[in-house]
Order: sequence, then C-alpha cells, then structure tokens
Amino acid sequence: NAGVMQNPRHLVRRRGQEARLRCSPMKGHSHVYWYRQLPEEGLKFMVYLQKENIIDESGMPKERFSAEFPKEGPSILRIQQVVRGDSAAYFCASSQVPTGDMNTEAFFGQGTRLTVV
Amino acid sequence: AQTVTQSQPEMSVQEAETVTLSCTYDTSESDYYLFWYKQPPSRQMILVIRQEAYKQQNATENRFSVNFQKAAKSFSLKISDSQLGDAAMYFCAYRSEGETSGSRLTFGEGTQLTVNP
Repeated sequence: NAGVMQNPRHLVRRRGQEARLRCSPMKGHSHVYWYRQLPEEGLKFMVYLQKENIIDESGMPKERFSAEFPKEGPSILRIQQVVRGDSAAYFCASSQVPTGDMNTEAFFGQGTRLTVV
Repeated sequence: AQTVTQSQPEMSVQEAETVTLSCTYDTSESDYYLFWYKQPPSRQMILVIRQEAYKQQNATENRFSVNFQKAAKSFSLKISDSQLGDAAMYFCAYRSEGETSGSRLTFGEGTQLTVNP
C-alpha cells in the first residue's frame, strides 16, 4: 500500500505564474489535509477536504489559493499569480475517516517544495 | 485559538545519551491530543508519539517517552539512548476533538536535534 504521494517534489515558478500541487492520498483514504511550511517554521494548516467537498478552509489565504479533491483523481492545491512569499514546502496528509471524529491519524506525504523566482 | 511553543530552536546530544525536548501549549479545551513529529532531511513527517489528554499515564514508544503535565500545559519528549538516526527537526503538535476542529494540527516552531557521535 503506497503512502501519500505528492508531486512534483520540487517546483520552480516565476512570479505571476500558476502553481499546481498534486496529492494522491493513501488507498482507501477520502480525507485530505494541506499544510504549508515556510522556511524555518512549523507546518500551518491550510485546508481540509473530503471527496468533492471543502470542509474547513480556515487556513487558506483569501486570494490566489484554491483547493479541490474531485471524485476521481488527486487533490490539487492551486496557487495563482505566485509571489516570492509563496515559496515554501507544501504538505498533504490523508486519513481514512475524519481524524477528529474517530481519533485516527493522518499520514503525511513528503511535500512539494515550491520556489518562486 | 490554540498555540504551541517550542522554546529550544536547537538541541544537541551525545550518542547513547538522553535528551529532553520541551513543548508548552495554550488551550481552553479539556479534551485534546498531543503529538511529537520527526522531520528528517528527507522532509517526511513521521509520527513519533501521541498522548490523549484524558490519559494520566505518560505515553511511551520504545526509546521515546513523554512527560505530560496537563495542569502546566507542558508536553516534553525524552529520547533515551540517542542514535545518529534520531537527528532531525522535531515538532510538537496539538489537535482538538471534534470532526471539524479535530481535522487540523497546530504545530510548534520545531527543535533541531543534532546527535554527536
């Protein structure tokens, strides 16, 4: 059973371009969580999605950032018109059931390091 | 909102010795979960140990143990018989109960642990 897969591992974008980060959850997992880790900082929660639904986006910047988790395919974190401050590592985690509801754990991917030049 | 504080940006230990990493948190909730994650240079987030707040007994996982002081809101990690492979960034994290609020982890800023041979 493969773990949480994120691609690409490294992504370089010029200012103003779009960045699309992909996350394939573990098999059988329908809950996905995105976190951002700025340099020298801890991870910060961004958004929690179930299949086709955004459950909690309290950590998402109001502009330029969006996330989806379609019925088929990976979860996508999309950043439009990237700026240098978006440079960070973006982590995805997945769980089989809601972590808070069933006291279960989420498993993390290895992250995508986004560099904006 | 909950906050997690790790006051030691860096720690070092001699191989085979014991080291303790500190973590304090702030919350008004009575039921919650606490975690220690390890992030080696590969960036993979690895769950080291977890503690349920309602349990008085401190969690233990092989060489890793915690000292959970609920009244003091303190959650330190003790690593015994340190090994070179323990070198990593260590993050303390908090999670609420509840299907939505329990979906997100709040992380501290991390402690970089160096193990000297």
